[in-house]
Amino acid sequence: DGGITQSPKYLFRKEGQNVTLSCEQNLNHDAMYWYRQDPGQGLRLIYYSQIVNDFQKGDIAEGYSVSREKKESFPLTVTSAQKNPTAFYLCASSIGQLTGELFFGEGSRLTVL
Amino acid sequence: ELKVEQNPLFLSMQEGKNYTIYCNYSTTSDRLYWYRQDPGKSLESLFVLLSNGAVKQEGRLMASLDTKARLSTLHITAAVHDLSATYFCAVDIRLSGGGADGLTFGKGTHLIIQP
Repeated sequence: DGGITQSPKYLFRKEGQNVTLSCEQNLNHDAMYWYRQDPGQGLRLIYYSQIVNDFQKGDIAEGYSVSREKKESFPLTVTSAQKNPTAFYLCASSIGQLTGELFFGEGSRLTVL
Repeated sequence: ELKVEQNPLFLSMQEGKNYTIYCNYSTTSDRLYWYRQDPGKSLESLFVLLSNGAVKQEGRLMASLDTKARLSTLHITAAVHDLSATYFCAVDIRLSGGGADGLTFGKGTHLIIQP
């Protein structure tokens, strides 16, 4: 079954620690994205990547970093510089050119203690 | 800067009734998407609208797009409890030269359908 796998599903972190969220897709999609969702809010774009070894900042990139070494993988690191990291993080992918329709993973819920 | 506004943000309605959710956006686009989210879950794609006048229907839900008015609607017919969820619209803005730059989402409409 093709899809997007995010891990871990739940993660607790102490203040000052970096944490990396995994996102893997087997849909053969070119483009991948990371969004953040806060309670009662829409989704805000953190980073996106249209091709391997290239990525761009979204609207709220400060305090986050990404890499795109393989087409299938787009991990997100939440650094200690992110002031308010507690949120629901969603990874998505799209074919890229013909349509911007996004396909989402199940999400990772990060709580900072 | 693109702004996407949904209204209402919260809607409680009775089973069997009809209602419409509105999605306005501030910049020219002919690509709009509707998603559904259940509590604690991810987003599920409902409709993809790719041209002015596009209309899509699935069961009791129907979505339409008017690019001149920068408006999309999601109409619910004879609502049932299973349609209770949060519904998001999202708009696609492409920079010149193409590429997939991500979608801009509205804040979502939290829909509760009561028996």
